[in-house]
Amino acid sequence: KAGVTQTPRYLIKTRGQQVTLSCSPISGHRSVSWYQQTPGQGLQFLFEYFSETQRNKGNFPGRFSGRQFSNSRSEMNVSTLELGDSALYLCASSSAGGRGGYTFGSGTRLTVV
Amino acid sequence: DQQVKQNSPSLSVQEGRISILNCDYTNSMFDYFLWYKKYPAEGPTFLISISSIKDKNEDGRFTVFLNKSAKHLSLHIVPSQPGDSAVYFCAASGATNKLIFGTGTLLAVQP
Repeated sequence: KAGVTQTPRYLIKTRGQQVTLSCSPISGHRSVSWYQQTPGQGLQFLFEYFSETQRNKGNFPGRFSGRQFSNSRSEMNVSTLELGDSALYLCASSSAGGRGGYTFGSGTRLTVV
Repeated sequence: DQQVKQNSPSLSVQEGRISILNCDYTNSMFDYFLWYKKYPAEGPTFLISISSIKDKNEDGRFTVFLNKSAKHLSLHIVPSQPGDSAVYFCAASGATNKLIFGTGTLLAVQP
């Protein structure tokens, strides 16, 4: 069974630009969560989508947004990029959300210059 | 406000000995706790979990202990192997199922 697929793996963007990251969950999984990992901060929760609806949201500015499609694939968008947005962005999927069922993708490494 | 804390950024252990990774939390509404392991350039991999109705859960070489009164959990790895070298994250969730992660502990198992 295919795992969680995130594209692209690496991305370099300039300050002020916007970026869209993609996540394809495990087949049958309806919950998709996004996390930002930076050195010293661990994994910070961005948001969770379930059946195309945002179910949970973390404490990130409105520049960070996401959506989920009817096939459960999800995208996250960051507008007006800042240097501090450089991080590893991880997507995780589960069948119902939480309770140990999260499977993570390998992440997208975003570098803002 | 860091609700889940891993106060040791790194830990070095000899092969064959016990590794003990610690985690503290502040939110008493958390009722489910997990440990993930992460290698560089890979996503975290689920290791073991424990519900707040238990105080211990074991899976092979991995055992998680939960002390609810102290809001503390620990992961024991016995015996430690070089392949266990990775970053270990503890995570907690409550009614919202949102996972809150600690900052991670880098475990180095020396051959």
